[in-house]
Amino acid sequence: GDSVTQTEGLVTLTEGLPVMLNCTYQSTYSPFLFWYVQHLNEAPKLLLKSFTDNKRPEHQGFHATLHKSSSSFHLQKSSAQLSDSALYYCALSEGDSNYQLIWGSGTKLIIKP
Amino acid sequence: EAAVTQSPRNKVAVTGGKVTLSCNQTNNHNNMYWYRQDTGHGLRLIHYSYGAGSTEKGDIPDGYKASRPSQENFSLILELATPSQTSVYFCASGAPVLYEQYFGPGTRLTVL
Repeated sequence: GDSVTQTEGLVTLTEGLPVMLNCTYQSTYSPFLFWYVQHLNEAPKLLLKSFTDNKRPEHQGFHATLHKSSSSFHLQKSSAQLSDSALYYCALSEGDSNYQLIWGSGTKLIIKP
Repeated sequence: EAAVTQSPRNKVAVTGGKVTLSCNQTNNHNNMYWYRQDTGHGLRLIHYSYGAGSTEKGDIPDGYKASRPSQENFSLILELATPSQTSVYFCASGAPVLYEQYFGPGTRLTVL
């Protein structure tokens, strides 16, 4: 079955350094990929999603590129900020009538001064 | 203005008691979802719905029922609550065309 893998459970970085959170997937179809962010004691909210027109999605300084050849959708940011500390989920939709998201296990990102 | 709301925000229940968690959305989305979130497990789908009157089992439905009486409302029911159901529960609504989901603020449930 389809699946999403986030290999890092916890990533700790110093402010100002680049961020990369890994996300790989397995899917029979050509899926849509999403990144959700959840700050402490808040709800998950959509950060960005893959598009089919080859544009690289960006939001709040974060970007991700869907690489179908390697089945990856890594999340990147050039310079981490303290406010980026949060839990990040990668998720997949098969784009079919099921309308469910398949979720990765999440990566907790801690940014230190 | 919040488009997905949940009540209560916090709930303490006794083992064997009945618990009802409520969710309301003003997004006019057909699809709604109930998840639970536990450390080490991420978000796990309990039940979902395609519209009023419809409920479907998710990945971990045992011990839970769901009810969708209207487009706006989706409830999660624990008929006989157990301590293992202590968790944070999130409701979400989804736009079919976009495949995105929008979450409520969550309900923290403690079963003693």
